[in-house]
Amino acid sequence: DIQMTQSPSSLSASVGDRVTITCRASQSISSYLNWYQQAPGKAPKLLIYAVSSLQSDVPSRFSGSGSGTDFTLTISSLQPEDFASYYCQQSYSAPWTFGQGTKVEIK
Amino acid sequence: EVQLVESGGGLVQPGGSLRLSCAASGFTLSTYWMHWVRQAPGKGLVWVSRINGDGTTTDYADSVKGRFTISRDNAKNTLYLQMNSLRAEDTAMYFCSRGGAAAAIGGYYYYYMDVWGKGTTVTVSS
Repeated sequence: DIQMTQSPSSLSASVGDRVTITCRASQSISSYLNWYQQAPGKAPKLLIYAVSSLQSDVPSRFSGSGSGTDFTLTISSLQPEDFASYYCQQSYSAPWTFGQGTKVEIK
Repeated sequence: EVQLVESGGGLVQPGGSLRLSCAASGFTLSTYWMHWVRQAPGKGLVWVSRINGDGTTTDYADSVKGRFTISRDNAKNTLYLQMNSLRAEDTAMYFCSRGGAAAAIGGYYYYYMDVWGKGTTVTVSS
């Protein structure tokens, strides 16, 4: 199975900050990398698919980059509604796997 | 409106069985892969299983293989997860999700989960 490792596990930031979350795959997954946001007590929401394609209605302050084994989710200017957990997920091969998550908290 | 609504969760004893359902509306279920994802209390997301549009192809996480069975009834617009030999570590919120796809170069597709239900809670305890 492909292991996905995110860092950091949590971070504290202020509104307006630039935030970067990294995700590393245990083997090359080409561009089969998705990012999800989960607010507390809510279902996950797709943010970005295929490394850098923004899902419809997702604000442009979210962006993704990378290829192969190393990927990045960037929030250019953190907004109050962005305080949530973020998960990367590979769809290169079954079983699909998620990273352990990154919790973005208010500083 | 595109919507997924899970049901069937509850309290079950270790070794018991439970069948989850996921009712789909607002789209044609038969044209999509469908997935189950779970989340133990305070923990991260874990992919559980998937099934293709006509139900002929299924995949499972190693932790549930041989105990869980995913199925679908496209005429009823419903996805199922039959869970047998339940263990305490199966305690979680279970989400169903729709499998989306985007065309890539060379005839390949990128896959993701683009619509999610709100989840149903399964508790395995004596």
